[in-house]
Amino acid sequence: DAGVTQSPTHLIKTRGQQVTLRCSPKSGHDTVSWYQQALGQGPQFIFQYYEEEERQRGNFPDRFSGHQFPNYSSELNVNALLLGDSALYLCASSLSSENTEAFFGQGTRLTVV
Amino acid sequence: SQKIEQNSEALNIQEGKTATLTCNYTNYSPAYLQWYRQDPGRGPVFLLLIRENEKEKRKERLKVTFDTTLKQSLFHITASQPADSATYLCALALRNYGQNFVFGPGTRLSVLP
Repeated sequence: DAGVTQSPTHLIKTRGQQVTLRCSPKSGHDTVSWYQQALGQGPQFIFQYYEEEERQRGNFPDRFSGHQFPNYSSELNVNALLLGDSALYLCASSLSSENTEAFFGQGTRLTVV
Repeated sequence: SQKIEQNSEALNIQEGKTATLTCNYTNYSPAYLQWYRQDPGRGPVFLLLIRENEKEKRKERLKVTFDTTLKQSLFHITASQPADSATYLCALALRNYGQNFVFGPGTRLSVLP
């Protein structure tokens, strides 16, 4: 079992560009959540996908969007990148039933210059 | 306002001692609470989950308590080892919020040999 895999691991983008990050959940998991983690802070919830739909959303602007595919994999898209978008982006997968832990990928380190 | 805090940004202890980390929250009603370990540049790794109706959970050298009256969780690592050095995050799972978690800022634990 490969666990949660994210790609790419590192990315450098210029302010104003667009970026797409990818996530493959742990085998058997149907729910994918995305988090943003700034240096020295805890992860901040962006949104969650289940059954190919956005189920919950955190306090992030519409520049952040996502998608979930029939195989449960997911993408995070960020448009019009700002310097403040530089962070570690984490994908977490889980089962749709409650009271279960989330399994995190290793993250994508995005640097906006 | 809603807030989740962890006792200190950094904690240094001697090898063999018990490390105690604190997580306090205000204006949240979590259904359950989790503790994660995060190493530099990596995603968080699940350690323990405790539900609102549970007072204490143990796993090997780890123990977590959850007091919903005090709105506090304590996380203990007994017989600490240098390999326990990492950042520890507490995460609240809110009602009707799926597996989306509100994370604290983390405590960076250093176990000195």
